[in-house]
Amino acid sequence: SQQGEEDPQALSIQEGENATMNCSYKTSINNLQWYRQNSGRGLVHLILIRSNEREKHSGRLRVTLDTSKKSSSLLITASRAADTASYFCATGLRGSGGGADGLTFGKGTHLIIQP
Amino acid sequence: GAGVSQSPSNKVTEKGKDVELRCDPISGHTALYWYRQSLGQGLEFLIYFQGNSAPDKSGLPSDRFSAERTGGSVSTLTIQRTQQEDSAVYLCASSSYTQETQYFGPGTRLLVL
Repeated sequence: SQQGEEDPQALSIQEGENATMNCSYKTSINNLQWYRQNSGRGLVHLILIRSNEREKHSGRLRVTLDTSKKSSSLLITASRAADTASYFCATGLRGSGGGADGLTFGKGTHLIIQP
Repeated sequence: GAGVSQSPSNKVTEKGKDVELRCDPISGHTALYWYRQSLGQGLEFLIYFQGNSAPDKSGLPSDRFSAERTGGSVSTLTIQRTQQEDSAVYLCASSSYTQETQYFGPGTRLLVL
């Protein structure tokens, strides 16, 4: 079964608005990562947050992690048309170090930014 | 520097034929991963290589799937006797041993007719 589950499955907003996507997972993790995928091809790494961190920022991205609720959120502020893509959360399981295990991905949130 | 590269970009084959997919990881990255993404689905982990160590094959869906990594660099994923359900995008990623961030290639889109 999927470790990560993104919510919502699809999101459509106006350019300039903020977009929030959520991810829930089931088991203890070492870290949680967010990736973006355009047109069903290669994934681009956005941000990694470790299990002992609660919040992380990168440019217009803000990620939170709540290990007690086994959930994370990705906030994209001041959205742009170029942000249209699918966004996936991926978890690295506790006990794996240095990328020892494959990441477990959710099914993704498809984000559409309308101009 | 150069990213992860994969070839071919697209592959159309007939049911029952064998296919080979290639991945060139980022130079210096010791960890290499293969994933499969079926239409509308998330990524499914297939196999992981760390340097020259024996691979973790736990994610391979059947014994028709195999992979090797020569000299701790280039990797080949082979699917024997392809089936229509093998149709998917096959993604390769690499990471340095001390990082958990994985860098993905553009993928190979496989269509089995």
